[in-house]
Amino acid sequence: DVKVTQSSRYLVKRTGEKVFLECVQDMDHENMFWYRQDPGLGLRLIYFSYDVKMKEKGDIPEGYSVSREKKERFSLILESASTNQTSMYLCASKPRVTGNTIYFGEGSWLTVV
Amino acid sequence: SQQGEEDPQALSIQEGENATMNCSYKTSINNLQWYRQNSGRGLVHLILIRSNEREKHSGRLRVTLDTSKKSSSLLITASRAADTASYFCATDSGFGNEKLTFGTGTRLTIIP
Repeated sequence: DVKVTQSSRYLVKRTGEKVFLECVQDMDHENMFWYRQDPGLGLRLIYFSYDVKMKEKGDIPEGYSVSREKKERFSLILESASTNQTSMYLCASKPRVTGNTIYFGEGSWLTVV
Repeated sequence: SQQGEEDPQALSIQEGENATMNCSYKTSINNLQWYRQNSGRGLVHLILIRSNEREKHSGRLRVTLDTSKKSSSLLITASRAADTASYFCATDSGFGNEKLTFGTGTRLTIIP
């Protein structure tokens, strides 16, 4: 069974803290994604990666960075957390082949206080 | 920017009735997919329809695609309480890295 695992389900961080959200997939997928989900706004793409050490900005990259040192792991970094980054964060992966399903993790609920 | 816009934003129906949700998008696509999300969980893939297809079925799901109108619909027949969830359409343009763009979703509530 395919699996995308997000290391933290619920986090509470203080404003200004550096936050790491970790995601691991066990399907040998080339593409990995970080989305943010907010009520009324749907899912918005923050960053995606199509290979190790490769990354591309999505629609809302400001305030975020990512790291992909190994194929199975894609990390989202909030350099200095702010209250407007309180949200649900979803990691996903898919094979490079066109038209394939994207597989999601269970999400990480981040609250910045 | 949001490629897909679902309509309606929320829908409540009685168990056993059919539920129809619509998705409109702005630019040309290669594939359109529908996903389901139970409250507070990740998204789960339901069905994919390619741009050269007009209709697809999977169990109680029926998806149509009208590329001339840039729209798709998802029909769930004989709804069950367990179908209560949010439903999202997602599109890709088919270029290279398969970035999926999601809509804002339809919240479906099935009343037992």
